[in-house]
Amino acid sequence: DTGVSQNPRHKITKRGQNVTFRCDPISEHNRLYWYRQTLGQGPEFLTYFQNEAQLEKSRLLSDRFSAERPKGSFSTLEIQRTEQGDSAMYLCASSQTQDYGYTFGSGTRLTVV
Amino acid sequence: GQQVMQIPQYQHVQEGEDFTTYCNSSTTLSNIQWYKQRPGGHPVFLIQLVKSGEVKKQKRLTFQFGEAKKNSSLHITATQTTDVGTYFCARGGNMLTFGGGTRLMVKP
Repeated sequence: DTGVSQNPRHKITKRGQNVTFRCDPISEHNRLYWYRQTLGQGPEFLTYFQNEAQLEKSRLLSDRFSAERPKGSFSTLEIQRTEQGDSAMYLCASSQTQDYGYTFGSGTRLTVV
Repeated sequence: GQQVMQIPQYQHVQEGEDFTTYCNSSTTLSNIQWYKQRPGGHPVFLIQLVKSGEVKKQKRLTFQFGEAKKNSSLHITATQTTDVGTYFCARGGNMLTFGGGTRLMVKP
């Protein structure tokens, strides 16, 4: 399978706990993006990487959120001290360059209880 | 922020009827992309439009980019139940900015 892979598919956590999600992009793709989507809304941009460099972060990304892409391959998104408002689908996408279509993964659905 | 607005938010059609969703921006778009998200699925890339007045077709789907590059539309001819899902436009740039989507429901 050469698509974008995200793990886990589902995560239920208690408020205040830390969670980490992983994204494995398509190997030839330099760019990797994280989005968040809530029910009935379009995906909201969180952050993106070109190779290992994190080039932009949304104002939505509070200090509790951190993302890494060591060695420009897979990426992780960590949320510290989760809140109920963090409950959402977290989508990862990759693309060859800026103006190519994105390939999205199946997402990680986070539920904070 | 530089958002794109989509209308309508929802559309119910009878199978075989046509469907159109519109995407509008207050600022000029460098390019626009369209995605389809099936219920319970993830967004899937359909097409990118770059040139003013561009029209592209994919089988029953017709995509248009406005002359002023501030609006775009997706038209589906003779809808089928397989067309069900939410259609998003997204403005291009360093990263995509998505509209709110149009949810299409097709009655067989």
